[in-house]
Amino acid sequence: GESVGLHLPTLSVQEGDNSIINCAYSNSASDYFIWYKQESGKGPQFIIDIRSNMDKRQGQRVTVLLNKTVKHLSLQIAATQPGDSAVYFCAEIVSHSSASKIIFGSGTRLSIRP
Amino acid sequence: DARVTQTPRHKVTEMGQEVTMRCQPILGHNTVFWYRQTMMQGLELLAYFRNRAPLDDSGMPKDRFSAEMPDATLATLKIQPSEPRDSAVYFCASGLAGTSGVTDTQYFGPGTRLTVL
Repeated sequence: GESVGLHLPTLSVQEGDNSIINCAYSNSASDYFIWYKQESGKGPQFIIDIRSNMDKRQGQRVTVLLNKTVKHLSLQIAATQPGDSAVYFCAEIVSHSSASKIIFGSGTRLSIRP
Repeated sequence: DARVTQTPRHKVTEMGQEVTMRCQPILGHNTVFWYRQTMMQGLELLAYFRNRAPLDDSGMPKDRFSAEMPDATLATLKIQPSEPRDSAVYFCASGLAGTSGVTDTQYFGPGTRLTVL
């Protein structure tokens, strides 16, 4: 499989605890945000998204919070499991009728302690 | 279970050689993206197609890289001539863009690991 060993910030969490992964975005015009999960040897996988007219969105065990004032995005994972071990990326999108601009964050590695 | 496929999964080549990477998007998707992932730069968007037309290739070195969609089921990324600095994992992703132009969920392929010696 394909993977890249990035020198990334690492968050170490006890199994069963909640995880919070943060992301600062750069463009105040960004109107759509996505969190991706990338497991070792695989491509990024969509987790959850949020539009700029919202400040919170919940999925199954995951919650995304958006603070447009400080251009900050967070991903909360409840009851972290070993299968959550991966690199997590945020992506910001500026929508245009012709071509949207997509920028990925550098990523955070989530490590689960048994 | 529909998924994006990419070939080859691994490619080792010598500097100066032509490299062609292929992607089959999910049937029915109208947007295709090419990304490059490296240790230093992370994930970068190289090019973006909608309905087979190139919309944005500003992230791609024009002198050596080219991206095309010969048909709706095939996207190609070519590097000619290849250089060692092109070594990276190249991902293709497909999605379905609505009339607003916003692409929602992108589905990524497994990637092609390219090594240029």
